Amino acid sequence: ELKVEQNPLFLSMQEGKNYTIYCNYSTTSDRLYWYRQDPGKSLESLFVLLSNGAVKQEGRLMASLDTKARLSTLHITAAVHDLSATYFCAVDGETSGSRLTFGEGTQLTVNP
Amino acid sequence: SAVISQKPSRDICQRGTSLTIQCQVDSQVTMMFWYRQQPGQSLTLIATANQGSEATYESGFVIDKFPISRPNLTFSTLTVSNMSPEDSSIYLCSVEGDTDTQYFGPGTRLTVL
Repeated sequence: ELKVEQNPLFLSMQEGKNYTIYCNYSTTSDRLYWYRQDPGKSLESLFVLLSNGAVKQEGRLMASLDTKARLSTLHITAAVHDLSATYFCAVDGETSGSRLTFGEGTQLTVNP
Repeated sequence: SAVISQKPSRDICQRGTSLTIQCQVDSQVTMMFWYRQQPGQSLTLIATANQGSEATYESGFVIDKFPISRPNLTFSTLTVSNMSPEDSSIYLCSVEGDTDTQYFGPGTRLTVL
């Protein structure tokens, strides 16, 4: 059974600081996703990582994938208040057929 | 990208009743997925809906409780049957787009009294 763990689950940080969210998963994967969810809203796709060593960046967010370590990271650079949201990683396991297993989510609060 | 709409966006229902949630996609897709997000929790896959075949349910979810229809390649429904307060959740449908991304609908927020 595929398990996906995120840490930290709660993150409070100051504007301008850097931090990293970690996503570990238990079996080989085809794809790894990062999503953002604002309160009361649906999920917004941030990144899809397909292969070992993949790195994608959009604005202050950068995601990477290490399939050998079964680890993905979401790095936040110089955080701003608008980044406050819950971030989920989700894994499409090798035998999952596009069925996603989600991590618990990281609730990020960026304080002025 | 895929544009997904869901109806209703929210509802408040009485215990013991049933609610059918609709999911419409703006393009033809092979697989559609239904997820549940309980309050303050992550997302859990309920079932996969393929056109022309019965839905495939994940462990802990059964067809009698969550019947699903998939009459064509752009539409699916999920029914939450014989509801109890524990069914209060956000129900989301998702589809796989043509760029390896899974897109999610806006969700249906269900409250069961």
